[in-house]
Amino acid sequence: QKEVEQNSGPLSVPEGAIASLNCTYSDRGSQSFFWYRQYSGKSPELIMSIYSNGDKEDGRFTAQLNKASQYVSLLIRDSQPSDSATYLCASISSGGSYIPTFGRGTSLIVHP
Amino acid sequence: KAGVTQTPRYLIKTRGQQVTLSCSPISGHRSVSWYQQTPGQGLQFLFEYFSETQRNKGNFPGRFSGRQFSNSRSEMNVSTLELGDSALYLCASSSDQETQYFGPGTRLLVL
Repeated sequence: QKEVEQNSGPLSVPEGAIASLNCTYSDRGSQSFFWYRQYSGKSPELIMSIYSNGDKEDGRFTAQLNKASQYVSLLIRDSQPSDSATYLCASISSGGSYIPTFGRGTSLIVHP
Repeated sequence: KAGVTQTPRYLIKTRGQQVTLSCSPISGHRSVSWYQQTPGQGLQFLFEYFSETQRNKGNFPGRFSGRQFSNSRSEMNVSTLELGDSALYLCASSSDQETQYFGPGTRLLVL
């Protein structure tokens, strides 16, 4: 059973701080990883994808991947109240089926 | 480009009825996937269609079915509705089979 685990939170950070969201996955064959943001009552929207070990930066967002530890993280710098949402981590295995496995999400609250 | 569209946005049905949901992908995207999202189970993959063929299938009973048309639009059907089918049903389209772009969803309530 392929699993993606996330702490449900809520993770509460003050405005302007760095929010760190973490995700672990069970399938060593996972090759592609995605972070989605989902506001309450809305659908998920893609933030970033990462495929190689290391860091990938896009604006205030940095995704980090460590395949040896089966660990993916998302850092949000200069957090804003508008970043308050649930963040979903997803992985896709290299087995050819391309079926994404989603974590249950971490709720982030950025307070002014 | 216009995003993924789904209709209807809200539905109320009673147990035993059937329902059909519709999804129009982003122009040029040939892969359409369907997901069920509930508070208890999170986001669960139902199936994926590509060029009118079901390419992948999740772990859902046969009451859940779908199809894709030649213009890449897709429909999902749930027959003999159960209370547990109440959920947000999300459609996502993709150009690379991996990166999912989600529609606004259809919220289904089964009474």
